[in-house]
This record gives sequence, C-alpha cells and structure tokens, in this order.
Amino acid sequence: AQTVTQSQPEMSVQEAETVTLSCTYDTSENNYYLFWYKQPPSRQMILVIRQEAYKQQNATENRFSVNFQKAAKSFSLKISDSQLGDTAMYFCAPRRPFNRKLIWGLGTSLAVNP
Amino acid sequence: EAGVAQSPRYKIIEKRQSVAFWCNPISGHATLYWYQQILGQGPKLLIQFQNNGVVDDSQLPKDRFSAERLKGVDSTLKIQPAKLEDSAVYLCASSSVLEEQYFGPGTRLTVT
Repeated sequence: AQTVTQSQPEMSVQEAETVTLSCTYDTSENNYYLFWYKQPPSRQMILVIRQEAYKQQNATENRFSVNFQKAAKSFSLKISDSQLGDTAMYFCAPRRPFNRKLIWGLGTSLAVNP
Repeated sequence: EAGVAQSPRYKIIEKRQSVAFWCNPISGHATLYWYQQILGQGPKLLIQFQNNGVVDDSQLPKDRFSAERLKGVDSTLKIQPAKLEDSAVYLCASSSVLEEQYFGPGTRLTVT
C-alpha cells in the first residue's frame, strides 16, 4: 500500500522567518505528481504547489518552494518570509498516475506567530 | 471561473436520521470526488466519479452511504441512517484530466 508520512504533526514559526515541512512517501510507480495542499482553520483546501516527478527542477511558487528528492522519496515544502495567513494545516499528497487518486498524509499544523 | 460549490455548509442531525449533501463541480471538470475528513486527519476518499460513472468507491460504506452523479455534472452524497462516527467534514473536489483537484468549502456534519 502506498503511504505518506508527515513526521511533524505541529510546527510553529515567527512571522517573516522560514520554515520547512517534511514529507516522505512510498510508491513503486515512476511517473506521478506531488502536491502540497493548505487548509486554513475552517476554510477550504487550496493547492499550494505541485511537482512533476519526471522534472528534476524543484517547483517554486512565490514564497513557497519544494525540495524534491526522487530517489529518497522526499518532498519537503519551504515557506519563506512566513505570514500570519500561512497558519493552516498542510497536507502532502502524491497522486497516482493511472487513476489520479491522491494519497494523503496526516498533515502538519503550522502556526505563524506575530 | 466559479469554484466548486457545496451545500449545505453545516448540518446537525440526530443519529439514525438521513442527510444529503450536494456538490456542483467546476464547469467542464469530468472527475468528481467525495471525501470524508474527520477532525485532525487527512481526507479519506469515499467515491470518485468519471463523468457519471464510478471509478472508485472502495472506501464507501455502502450499507449506509450512497452517491450519484446524474448527467455527469452535479452530485449528491446521502447517508441513511447516520451514526455518531459520521460526524466529519464532507469535501467535494473536481478536476479535469490533467489538472489538480479543486476543493469546495465542505459540509460540516454533526451527528448527535
């Protein structure tokens, strides 16, 4: 069975600092996508960033970037210049290629402190 | 473009009652997903539709849950009868063939 491990259930960071959320996964497939989703308190799930496994270049989206290490099956999320609005649950979710099913981790609860 | 719409946003029912949730996906999205998210956990896929056909319902408790997607657009998820452990947020998401999933705001169900 495919699994996703987010080893940090809770994290906190000071506003304007940088934080890295870790994610490791287990898959036997070769061509897949990986996503980080953000779920603010009582608000809807939104996509933060995506990475295609066949691309060696790490994805970047404004203050959000990933460190994708395919051989190690690691997909960490770095948030630079943290803002109060970054406070949320963050989910790492690889997507299986043939049925596009997302495999979800348990999430990391991130608190950005003023 | 309009996002994924869900209703109601909140619902409180007593155990053994029935409840239905509605989802309207993003226009043109062929794939629709229903998830159950219990507090403190990641979403659990209940059912995945491709157009109006079921792709995956392996984790749907079929003795009490049912879902349909008539005409390949809107979808409803029904629970009958509800149990206390069904208290959760029910998320609907949609996607096109190559894109990521877009989520609706969810329906928070409380079963008392």
